[in-house]
Amino acid sequence: GAGVSQTPSNKVTEKGKYVELRCDPISGHTALYWYRQSLGQGPEFLIYFQGTGAADDSGLPNDRFFAVRPEGSVSTLKIQRTERGDSAVYLCASSTLADSYNEQFFGPGTRLTVL
Amino acid sequence: QKEVEQNSGPLSVPEGAIASLNCTYSDRGSQSFFWYRQYSGKSPELIMSIYSNGDKEDGRFTAQLNKASQYVSLLIRDSQPSDSATYLCAVRWYKLSFGAGTTVTVRA
Repeated sequence: GAGVSQTPSNKVTEKGKYVELRCDPISGHTALYWYRQSLGQGPEFLIYFQGTGAADDSGLPNDRFFAVRPEGSVSTLKIQRTERGDSAVYLCASSTLADSYNEQFFGPGTRLTVL
Repeated sequence: QKEVEQNSGPLSVPEGAIASLNCTYSDRGSQSFFWYRQYSGKSPELIMSIYSNGDKEDGRFTAQLNKASQYVSLLIRDSQPSDSATYLCAVRWYKLSFGAGTTVTVRA
């Protein structure tokens, strides 16, 4: 079956603009995660959804970042007033359950460049 | 102190040799440990998971876990050029905490 998909694959924007990044998880996966990966670093946790609700948003760096998952499937990560430091690859992952043992499957990522 | 630390790279090994990767973690209560492989420009791919002390073997890969020492390792036997990638150690509760990764280059 289809894996996790993310759109767009690349996004170039100007400082101060608003961007939306979309994640479509594997069908039936209730847990959805967003991570951010900067060059030369491992992915860093941003937010996790169990169903429609954000169960843990402790990784969001500040209030310019927000994510939603209104119907418990597709999720959108929203970044307001983008800054150059927001440039990174944004990865989405999903799993059947949010526990320690179910594999998280990663999407291909969205490369965000803020000029 | 970072939650997950990996030995600094890059690591260069000749084809057919053993590549050894190390990782330590700070949360003594961690239960699940993973190794991901990430090719340049691609997303992480799970290659090994380990939950209890000891060794776990899968093909040419062996993961080792020592919870008392808070240490996880990955051995890649008979290294192939296709193993050239960055290897990420991750510790999980429900969210994954990753190390910075070790880049491995296998020389033909």
